[in-house]
Amino acid sequence: QKEVEQNSGPLSVPEGAIASLNCTYSDRVSQSFFWYRQYSGKSPELIMSIYSNGDKEDGRFTAQLNKASQYVSLLIRDSQPSDSATYLCAVHTGGFKTIFGAGTRLFVKA
Amino acid sequence: EAGVTQFPSHSVIEKGQTVTLRCDPISGHDNLYWYRRVMGKEIKFLLHFVKESKQDESGMPNNRFLAERTGGTYSTLKVQPAELEDSGVYFCASSQEMRLAGLNEQFFGPGTRLTVL
Repeated sequence: QKEVEQNSGPLSVPEGAIASLNCTYSDRVSQSFFWYRQYSGKSPELIMSIYSNGDKEDGRFTAQLNKASQYVSLLIRDSQPSDSATYLCAVHTGGFKTIFGAGTRLFVKA
Repeated sequence: EAGVTQFPSHSVIEKGQTVTLRCDPISGHDNLYWYRRVMGKEIKFLLHFVKESKQDESGMPNNRFLAERTGGTYSTLKVQPAELEDSGVYFCASSQEMRLAGLNEQFFGPGTRLTVL
């Protein structure tokens, strides 16, 4: 089992729809969770961090964390073509190492 | 405020040669990380510095890789001698803190694309 798992996609949604990206992790004592966006050929860009159970909203982005289920998600409301990218889930484990998932490719169709 | 910078952006070398990558973290960030992404794979942790000390180097592939951070500012990652499987994108990231929530967010540099022929 991978330490951080994501569906590779591609996930395709129409413009204006909600995109839902999911991630599960194996280290139960993980404390910090991050979502990065990576455009092709570019470096990862931090878009959301979440540390407590529940929801955290920032503009069109909402991160959701459920530590009991070892699950973290990212919702993108009113998806735009410019949101098309690979979204990386990263988990700061109990050993204080950051483990990345392989990423989910998102396509937003105009 | 300047972000994380890396040099060079691209490097093409032959098998057996030596390459040195440089990373300048965000000013004031004590924590510096090196990662590597091989084509088609996830980003893999290589090592972590706190100031000039290696906190965790468990991700370093083998002893052909040497990372330094003299003075606790910029860091270098040397590959000697380079092998074909070392090809990939090497990212550097920095954070203000490691453990404190809200301060342990890592910011990435643009990466160095290394091609070993």
